[in-house]
Amino acid sequence: DAGVIQSPRHEVTEMGQEVTLRCKPISGHDYLFWYRQTMMRGLELLIYFNNNVPIDDSGMPEDRFSAKMPNASFSTLKIQPSEPRDSAVYFCASSDFSEGDFNQPQHFGDGTRLSIL
Amino acid sequence: SQQGEEDPQALSIQEGENATMNCSYKTSINNLQWYRQNSGRGLVHLILIRSNEREKHSGRLRVTLDTSKKSSSLLITASRAADTASYFCATDRPSGNTPLVFGKGTRLSVIA
Repeated sequence: DAGVIQSPRHEVTEMGQEVTLRCKPISGHDYLFWYRQTMMRGLELLIYFNNNVPIDDSGMPEDRFSAKMPNASFSTLKIQPSEPRDSAVYFCASSDFSEGDFNQPQHFGDGTRLSIL
Repeated sequence: SQQGEEDPQALSIQEGENATMNCSYKTSINNLQWYRQNSGRGLVHLILIRSNEREKHSGRLRVTLDTSKKSSSLLITASRAADTASYFCATDRPSGNTPLVFGKGTRLSVIA
């Protein structure tokens, strides 16, 4: 099992540029979550998908953030335009909604460390 | 919003000692989960305890849950340097399909 794969691992870009973060969930998992982690705010849920459909995007901070899941094996989180306050580590996680229990353990990727200059 | 809060924020112990971390939460839960995060890595699930359970074990890990006090503890026995990491609790809600909410974690340092 390859685990959740995120790319890139590090991204440094200038303010105003578009940033695209990518995630490949574990095969067969039907939930996908995007989180942002900072020292000040901890781990924040941005958006999550069920069977490729966005369920709750109330954690997306601004319209500059958007997420898509075109198929079961790929998701993107896009920031356009980026700002220095978007600097954080962004995690993708997936889980398997089995046994009728929504909150199964989540499997996290190793994150993308984003720095906006 | 409901959130688990870990205590202490940071903990430093000698190798071989036991480490205890606590988590308090605000409203009723269906289950509570503990995760570990090594520096520069993603979170790794350690253990899940349901609201009708009081204690669970997994190797050197022991988790307790007291729903009357809305608190949980994670005990790591005979700690090793490799246990150095941040530990997070995550809670859900019993009604509806709501996602986990994570606390800010306890940073554990185990000194060899």
